[in-house]
Amino acid sequence: GQQVMQIPQYQHVQEGEDFTTYCNSSTTLSNIQWYKQRPGGHPVFLIQLVKSGEVKKQKRLTFQFGEAKKNSSLHITATQTTDVGTYFCAGRASGTYKYIFGTGTRLKVLA
Amino acid sequence: KAGVTQTPRYLIKTRGQQVTLSCSPISGHRSVSWYQQTPGQGLQFLFEYFSETQRNKGNFPGRFSGRQFSNSRSEMNVSTLELGDSALYLCASSDGLAGPTNEQFFGPGTRLTVL
Repeated sequence: GQQVMQIPQYQHVQEGEDFTTYCNSSTTLSNIQWYKQRPGGHPVFLIQLVKSGEVKKQKRLTFQFGEAKKNSSLHITATQTTDVGTYFCAGRASGTYKYIFGTGTRLKVLA
Repeated sequence: KAGVTQTPRYLIKTRGQQVTLSCSPISGHRSVSWYQQTPGQGLQFLFEYFSETQRNKGNFPGRFSGRQFSNSRSEMNVSTLELGDSALYLCASSDGLAGPTNEQFFGPGTRLTVL
């Protein structure tokens, strides 16, 4: 079945450093979503990517969708303590309305 | 708009019992998805309901079942509880359409502990 892997599993950075998490799907995706879950909270939608090679930016966050629509990345520039949390990608295969979540990357930012 | 609500928020059960969890989606949303979240397995997809029909199903045993009512509220039932069912159960609400705005809005979750 469809699998979505994320690396790294954990990342500790100093405040001000950059951070990147990578998402890889075993199958071609129709679209991919990114979520952030703060400790003790629930996932909150960040963005959706649909087109091959698509790049979207939200302030310090940059999201990319691979050309083959099987991988994606989230890059945070100059991390802040408010960026702490677990970042999940969620991919949907064509012909289904089922989102498979990646394993998540837990980010800790040291002040 | 009110957000997604889930009840109860916390539940403690013993092995062999059954449990029913409830999810009320955002008004106007017709899709409700259920996920199981555990520290070791992350977010696992259980099933998705759209307009009272189960449209997608994950790889969970038949002990896990659900339904959706005409007002889009959904329930999830787990029978013959096992220790491994201890988890945070999240439901997510969306318009259910494969369009540009089908973001999922998650509820706060129900924390189930099986003793």
